[in-house]
Amino acid sequence: NAGVMQNPRHLVRRRGQEARLRCSPMKGHSHVYWYRQLPEEGLKFMVYLQKENIIDESGMPKERFSAEFPKEGPSILRIQQVVRGDSAAYFCASSPAGAEGYTFGSGTRLTVV
Amino acid sequence: RKEVEQDPGPFNVPEGATVAFNCTYSNSASQSFFWYRQDCRKEPKLLMSVYSSGNEDGRFTAQLNRASQYISLLIRDSKLSDSATYLCVVPSGSARQLTFGSGTQLTVLP
Repeated sequence: NAGVMQNPRHLVRRRGQEARLRCSPMKGHSHVYWYRQLPEEGLKFMVYLQKENIIDESGMPKERFSAEFPKEGPSILRIQQVVRGDSAAYFCASSPAGAEGYTFGSGTRLTVV
Repeated sequence: RKEVEQDPGPFNVPEGATVAFNCTYSNSASQSFFWYRQDCRKEPKLLMSVYSSGNEDGRFTAQLNRASQYISLLIRDSKLSDSATYLCVVPSGSARQLTFGSGTQLTVLP
């Protein structure tokens, strides 16, 4: 039973490029969450999605960031026109319906140069 | 007051020692709490859930004091492999959002 799969593990982008981060939840999990961890800081909630629905995006920056969880395929976190301050570890987590505890993926480390 | 506050440490303890971490939270409506463990540059992993007054799992004991809005994690007989950052986590928001403390760093020394 594979865990939460994130790819790529490491992503380097130049300022102004787009970053796409992918997350496949654990089998049987219908809820996906994205968190960001800036260097030397704690994890901050970004967005909570179910299939084809954004449930809570209160932690998403107002501009350049978007997330989706289509009916088929992985959840995608998209960052347009990246800036140096976007450099961070982005963790995806999933849970079954009704559960509060999450299982995290191993993260994508984004470096903007 | 921060939603979740932890002593950042670092805590440096010898093998075999007992160490306790504290955490305070501001949302009095929270019903469940978690301790996660995060190794350097890795993902957080669920260590313990706390739904009532406390929970015990081997060398680890978590206690909850709702009146004081305070959670603790006790590690007995520390092992080298316990070295990590321990994250206090409280559900918040209306839709399953978790608020993470900034973590307490533990190093167990040989």
